[in-house]
Amino acid sequence: NAGVTQTPKFQVLKTGQSMTLQCAQDMNHEYMSWYRQDPGMGLRLIHYSVGAGITDQGEVPNGYNVSRSTTEDFPLRLLSAAPSQTSVYFCASSSLGGVETEAFFGQGTRLTVV
Amino acid sequence: AQKVTQAQTEISVVEKEDVTLDCVYETRDTTYYLFWYKQPPSGELVFLIRRNSFDEQNEISGRYSWNFQKSTSSFNFTITASQVVDSAVYFCALSGIPSGTYKYIFGTGTRLKVLA
Repeated sequence: NAGVTQTPKFQVLKTGQSMTLQCAQDMNHEYMSWYRQDPGMGLRLIHYSVGAGITDQGEVPNGYNVSRSTTEDFPLRLLSAAPSQTSVYFCASSSLGGVETEAFFGQGTRLTVV
Repeated sequence: AQKVTQAQTEISVVEKEDVTLDCVYETRDTTYYLFWYKQPPSGELVFLIRRNSFDEQNEISGRYSWNFQKSTSSFNFTITASQVVDSAVYFCALSGIPSGTYKYIFGTGTRLKVLA
């Protein structure tokens, strides 16, 4: 059972570089989301999606883009990385409306922007 | 607006002590869901429990128990006879459907250190 798969696990970027964090789930969940985790800040919602073709902003969306072309995949794009985006990123998915059931999380991506 | 407050940033206990982690939430929704997750030092997030707003029954699972009180907007988590393996960061989360959107909001977490 793969669950939620995030790649890469670690990444170092230079300021201004772009990259995509990949997230895939094999549980046919409608709801997928991206969080960033910073010390003392908990997990903050970046973007989320309630189904293919539908995305919306969370608490901290600036500097990030998402798209949802399939149920399985929900990539997070950093168009021009900044040191403030140094963080641990988690992708999550859940079934039904997304709010009624527990979220399944990927292993996380530790991103450092220098 | 939705909000989850975990006022305890870090708690240290000696093994076999009982410990309670506090969670206070704010929401205007009449239907909402509360969760607890554990993040051990390895970094993954592990689901522990879900509770919906219509079910105020307390729950016990082994050494873990949860106390949900709508009157005080709290969903506290107690570990009985703590063990070193309980050392982790614990997150409380709230979800609901405010204004037609779907949100899943986490508190800032409580780091629990259980000393041998």
